[in-house]
Formats: sequence, structure tokens, C-alpha cells
Amino acid sequence: EADIYQTPRYLVIGTGKKITLECSQTMGHDKMYWYQQDPGMELHLIHYSYGVNSTEKGDLSSESTVSRIRTEHFPLTLESARPSHTSQYLCASSVEAGGSGELFFGEGSRLTVL
Amino acid sequence: DQQVKQNSPSLSVQEGRISILNCDYTNSMFDYFLWYKKYPAEGPTFLISISSIKDKNEDGRFTVFLNKSAKHLSLHIVPSQPGDSAVYFCAASDNYGQNFVFGPGTRLSVLP
Repeated sequence: EADIYQTPRYLVIGTGKKITLECSQTMGHDKMYWYQQDPGMELHLIHYSYGVNSTEKGDLSSESTVSRIRTEHFPLTLESARPSHTSQYLCASSVEAGGSGELFFGEGSRLTVL
Repeated sequence: DQQVKQNSPSLSVQEGRISILNCDYTNSMFDYFLWYKKYPAEGPTFLISISSIKDKNEDGRFTVFLNKSAKHLSLHIVPSQPGDSAVYFCAASDNYGQNFVFGPGTRLSVLP
């Protein structure tokens, strides 16, 4: 069973608030990812990290930012939330970026911005 | 443009019958494919994978078939069970370390 945890699971906030979605994994994986998913749509990669102090933007433009100060921790921050940020955010980690690797997902954080 | 396509948004199957979920891809560099299952309000869980050196991989009730020339793969679930009702995502990657690309998913409903 994968050991990757996301908090909060659900969050409802008002427009303009700053929020941080937490993601931690205990598998020692170097590679971590944030995906955004709307109902009926594919998972879109918004940020990824191949190791400490390494972060990159993904395929989908996002107003969020990430940091990777420790291997096990990959938080995502929205400085000023808007209704368009309402979505499910999924954190994942892997040993490999692609190839024969496998992504392990957290349970997701469902964000609603009013 | 979607590189990984799952053209059936939903599929309903009777319990005990076979479920076939399809996935097409456009990038000829993809050579590793995975299927994930997702319940509402949960993260996706890994089901089965296949490398391009194979055309079939089997794990219990789940079998994935790969047709490289057609850029098509399918997931077969036999026999289907009500607990299989979920959204199934196809994902693809290449050996050059490209991050995984996901399809939009197919919602499977297995009716008792």
C-alpha cells in the first residue's frame, strides 16, 4: 500500500484567501507531482519535482506554486484563491519519471472556492 | 491535442460479464502504459501496466492488450464485479523520462 498523504481532504474557502495543500510521502521517492482533475476530464500535470530544490511547471498552466525543501514533502500554494481554482488536486510520487515506473497517488484534496 | 484518448466516457456491464475499456494514443514514442482505477473522492490506484515489448499482460481478472501498430490498448475485466464500478484511466509514458500522460477516463458501471 502506498504511503502518500494529502491534507486537507476537503476545503471550502472564500475568494482571495491563501491556501496550502499538503502532500507527504514516506517511500523516499525523489519524484513528486501535482495533478489537477475536473470531473470527467483527464488528470493534468501542473507541477513536478525530481528532487530537493527542483521544481518545474507541468503541462497545464497554473497560478499555484510549489516547493520541495525536503524529499518527503511537496506542498502546493495558492496565494489568492478564485472560483476557477475549484477542482480536485492529486499528489503523486514515483521512483521513475516514466519508463517502467509507477505513480502512487494520495487520496486527493477537493478544493471549492466560493 | 489529447495524446491519450478514451473515447467512451461511460460503459455499463452486467455482473459476471466481460468489461472492455479502450484507449488510443497518438504519440509513437510512448512505450509504457498503465491503467488506474479511481473511486469518487479518492486518488487513483494502480491496476496493471504493459511495456511495448509485450502485447499482453495479465493479473488475475485484469488483462491488458497492446496493439502498437494501431496505437491502441484495451483493458479486459473478467468476470466483472459490482466493486469494479469506478472511473478507469489509461496513462502513457516513454523511456526518455517523459512524465505520464493521462486519458480522460471511462466510467464503468457493473450492474448486479
